[in-house]
Amino acid sequence: KAGVTQTPRYLIKTRGQQVTLSCSPISGHRSVSWYQQTPGQGLQFLFEYFSETQRNKGNFPGRFSGRQFSNSRSEMNVSTLELGDSALYLCASSLRGTVGNEQFFGPGTRLTVL
Amino acid sequence: QKEVEQDPGPLSVPEGAIVSLNCTYSNSAFQYFMWYRQYSRKGPELLMYTYSSGNKEDGRFTAQVDKSSKYISLFIRDSQPSDSATYLCAMSDDTGGFKTIFGAGTRLFVKA
Repeated sequence: KAGVTQTPRYLIKTRGQQVTLSCSPISGHRSVSWYQQTPGQGLQFLFEYFSETQRNKGNFPGRFSGRQFSNSRSEMNVSTLELGDSALYLCASSLRGTVGNEQFFGPGTRLTVL
Repeated sequence: QKEVEQDPGPLSVPEGAIVSLNCTYSNSAFQYFMWYRQYSRKGPELLMYTYSSGNKEDGRFTAQVDKSSKYISLFIRDSQPSDSATYLCAMSDDTGGFKTIFGAGTRLFVKA
């Protein structure tokens, strides 16, 4: 069974630009969560989608947004990029998104903002 | 203050040593406690999962949760060079939805 895939794996952008990251969950998984990982802050929860609805949101500014499609694939968008947005963005999928369900992580998208 | 505190290390031990990794937390609503292992250039993978207080053992790994002290631990026995990775503790409550809070991660190096 294929794992979680994320595209692209690496991105370089400049300040002020916007970026869209994509995540394809494991087949049959309906919950997708997004995380930002930086050396200073560790792994921080961005948001979680289940059946195309955002159920939970972390403490990030409105420049960070996401959506989920009917096939459970998810995209994350960051507008007006700032230097501090440079990070590894990880997506994780889960069967039902309930506590106790294991999350499976993708390899991440490494975003560098210049 | 962060909800979950974890010493980032790095922690360097000789092969065969017993490794102790720890996290403290402040939110008493946390009920689910997890340990993830993350190798370089990879996403985290779930190692251990515990509900509420108590111990759980899986091979060389033992997870402990002390809710009264808001303290969780992961012990690795007979550590191997292949255990060299970053270990992240994570926890969540059961208020619905799926929001997991992670520690900063501890980098572990096991020397052959």
